[in-house]
Amino acid sequence: GENVEQHPSTLSVQEGDSAVIKCTYSDSASNYFPWYKQELGKGPQLIIDIRSNVGEKKDQRIAVTLNKTAKHFSLHITETQPEDSAVYFCAAKYSGSARQLTFGSGTQLTVLP
Amino acid sequence: DTEVTQTPKHLVMGMTNKKSLKCEQHMGHRAMYWYKQKAKKPPELMFVYSYEKLSINESVPSRFSPECPNSSLLNLHLHALQPEDSALYLCASSQGLVELDEQFFGPGTRLTVL
Repeated sequence: GENVEQHPSTLSVQEGDSAVIKCTYSDSASNYFPWYKQELGKGPQLIIDIRSNVGEKKDQRIAVTLNKTAKHFSLHITETQPEDSAVYFCAAKYSGSARQLTFGSGTQLTVLP
Repeated sequence: DTEVTQTPKHLVMGMTNKKSLKCEQHMGHRAMYWYKQKAKKPPELMFVYSYEKLSINESVPSRFSPECPNSSLLNLHLHALQPEDSALYLCASSQGLVELDEQFFGPGTRLTVL
């Protein structure tokens, strides 16, 4: 089955700096890669996703890049703000079957004011 | 309405109690999910319903019993739970089961088993 590895497990940045979280996946058939943000006491919130026919996707301060050859994808957050502090999970999924999302282990991002 | 709602927010139960968790969505989604999440871990899939039929059961103990009364509602019935079942229980929904559709999560029910 699919295996998703996520690094780093914790990340502290100064407000205004950029943050990068990286994930690698094992199943080359995976073709959908969402990122979730989970704040304390809340459920995961989908913040951005990318499909395998696209190499990069941006939404304001958030971007995701995908390298299918190397089987890795990354989340980039620019101009970080204290409200970006949360746990971020990457995930991977293969369409065309009932195989479900495989999550990475999570990254605790702390943005220091 | 792009929201998945869950009740109750918190639940404390003894090992001999029977309780139920409820999840609701009005996005017209046909796939609904139960996940269990322990502290500092990713969500673990428990059950998936597609078109109100149970499609996936990830070898969950029988003390957890899911039910999908209609396309908008998903319940999780709990009976004779163990303290190690204490966790955040998350419900999610998506448009379909196999498509590349976004999964939307509810806020979760924080369950404590004494």
